[in-house]
Amino acid sequence: NAGVTQTPKFQVLKTGQSMTLQCAQDMNHNSMYWYRQDPGMGLRLIYYSASEGTTDKGEVPNGYNVSRLNKREFSLRLESAAPSQTSVYFCASSATRVEQFFGPGTRLTVL
Amino acid sequence: QKEVEQNSGPLSVPEGAIASLNCTYSDRGSQSFFWYRQYSGKSPELIMSIYSNGDKEDGRFTAQLNKASQYVSLLIRDSQPSDSATYLCAVSETGANSKLTFGKGITLSVRP
Repeated sequence: NAGVTQTPKFQVLKTGQSMTLQCAQDMNHNSMYWYRQDPGMGLRLIYYSASEGTTDKGEVPNGYNVSRLNKREFSLRLESAAPSQTSVYFCASSATRVEQFFGPGTRLTVL
Repeated sequence: QKEVEQNSGPLSVPEGAIASLNCTYSDRGSQSFFWYRQYSGKSPELIMSIYSNGDKEDGRFTAQLNKASQYVSLLIRDSQPSDSATYLCAVSETGANSKLTFGKGITLSVRP
């Protein structure tokens, strides 16, 4: 039982490049989330998926897209990376109305 | 705008002391409250959840909730150097989904 897994762990991009961050959970949770964490800003929600087939914007969605591929997988795509997207990205999952469990994170640097 | 405020840190306590971490929230309809611990370079880890007014104890940790005052706190008794971390308060949003609003966190340092 791996919980929530994320790939890659680290990534360096040049401005304008695209990439997809992958997230998978094996806890049969309905809801999945993508956050970014920046110094002094706390955790900010980018997008979430309350259930398979649905996605909704969070607090900071601009510059990102998501796909809920199936119940297990929720990916985050940066179409044209910008230096302002340098951050640590966390994926999380939860059963409805219950606590969230986090993956190990992806450290992204955009040059 | 829903807000979760944590008292500014960092907080430093000697080993063996009680550490008191506080959090206030703006959404009066919030039903679920959580404390996460985050070690440097690691992901947040859930340590306590509380859903009703009063105290909830788990080992050296006690969570306290006062919905009338919109206040939740975490007490760590017999603080250990291994408790040194950033503690995040999280509050559920009103409604059927399980979205959380996080505070910015407070960094606790336990001095040996």
